[in-house]
Amino acid sequence: ILNVEQSPQSLHVQEGDSTNFTCSFPSSNFYALHWYRWETAKSPEALFVMTLNGDEKKKGQISATLNTKEGYSYLYIKGSQPEDSATYLCASGTGANNLFFGTGTRLTVIP
Amino acid sequence: DVKVTQSSRYLVKRTGEKVFLECVQDMDHENMFWYRQDPGLGLRLIYFSYDVKMKEKGDIPEGYSVSREKKERFSLILESASTNQTSMYLCASSLRAGWGVLTFGAGSRLTVL
Repeated sequence: ILNVEQSPQSLHVQEGDSTNFTCSFPSSNFYALHWYRWETAKSPEALFVMTLNGDEKKKGQISATLNTKEGYSYLYIKGSQPEDSATYLCASGTGANNLFFGTGTRLTVIP
Repeated sequence: DVKVTQSSRYLVKRTGEKVFLECVQDMDHENMFWYRQDPGLGLRLIYFSYDVKMKEKGDIPEGYSVSREKKERFSLILESASTNQTSMYLCASSLRAGWGVLTFGAGSRLTVL
């Protein structure tokens, strides 16, 4: 079982603030890193899947980076909006049949 | 858009009952998965299937079984429900072999009394 850690567990930001959170994972035998957004009462929704060291991906105001050598990924949200309020999950895999999720970062954007 | 549909959003069952959680996906995905979500823990994989009639144990298969008779349908079975199986259950599917993007259902919250 892979130890995937996310920090912080939760945070509150004001509308318009930019924010970021971290996903840490063991760097050995790295295969892929996933980010998902999970809004209350909805399905988790895929944001990014990254596989290469140095990968950077962007979707609207959300972006992510990946450092496989040191075992971390950052998720950035620029200019947070109330609709960005959700739990953000990351998951790391070491092979085709192993994908381990962190406990998530719960973001609340205050209007 | 790929849709993954879970048959029940909320279920309440009694200890010892047999429970079926159904999941259907509509985009011809090869791979299907069952996870459970508990407070303070990440999503944990119970079982997955990469083809019809094929199944593989995940990290926490004890107390569960699965069935995949058709490509689009993946069922999770609790043979004799126990209170420690009270949880949120999420079904997911993916197109690619290996860990392609997961498309999740909305979840089934099971309470075992």
